[in-house]
Amino acid sequence: AQTVTQSQPEMSVQEAETVTLSCTYDTSENNYYLFWYKQPPSRQMILVIRQEAYKQQNATENRFSVNFQKAAKSFSLKISDSQLGDTAMYFCAFMKDVGGYSTLTFGKGTMLLVSP
Amino acid sequence: DGGITQSPKYLFRKEGQNVTLSCEQNLNHDAMYWYRQDPGQGLRLIYYSQIVNDFQKGDIAEGYSVSREKKESFPLTVTSAQKNPTAFYLCASSGTSGGSSYNEQFFGPGTRLTVL
Repeated sequence: AQTVTQSQPEMSVQEAETVTLSCTYDTSENNYYLFWYKQPPSRQMILVIRQEAYKQQNATENRFSVNFQKAAKSFSLKISDSQLGDTAMYFCAFMKDVGGYSTLTFGKGTMLLVSP
Repeated sequence: DGGITQSPKYLFRKEGQNVTLSCEQNLNHDAMYWYRQDPGQGLRLIYYSQIVNDFQKGDIAEGYSVSREKKESFPLTVTSAQKNPTAFYLCASSGTSGGSSYNEQFFGPGTRLTVL
């Protein structure tokens, strides 16, 4: 079974600064996907970024980037130029690559507060 | 607009009553999922379905039941056997229609169930 650990229950950052959220996972699989989801106060889950384990290059989506360290089983999210709208709960998630539909295993989340 | 709808947004029930949560998608996705979210717990998988008339138990299926009679619908019944049903319930779907990938899950807005 896979486990996902987010060791930071809460974090805070000021607007325009950079913040990094940590995530580690445990698996015996070699092929898998990793995700960061954002849940703002509306509670709508929004996909932020996705990383395929077979890709060495770290994924980037505008102000969001990851640091994927496969050997260390680490998958951190960096948010640059933080904005007030980034205030949300952030979940790290793992998915086995089964060549078809698979399920997500989530961490417990990190609450990020961006202040002016 | 394509998307996932969950109704109602808030649901109150008396202890001992069964209750059914609705989830509908018009994305033409094959797979659908139900997750439960509790404070400080992240999301946990209840049931999932990869095809009509077939579904599998997730990590916390006890006290829940589902059906998948139509591709676009995946209702979840919370039975009286569920010991602590008060929670936020999220439905998701995934599929390859519309250019999306089978490993990307799209989430509905959720239903907050409170058992009195």
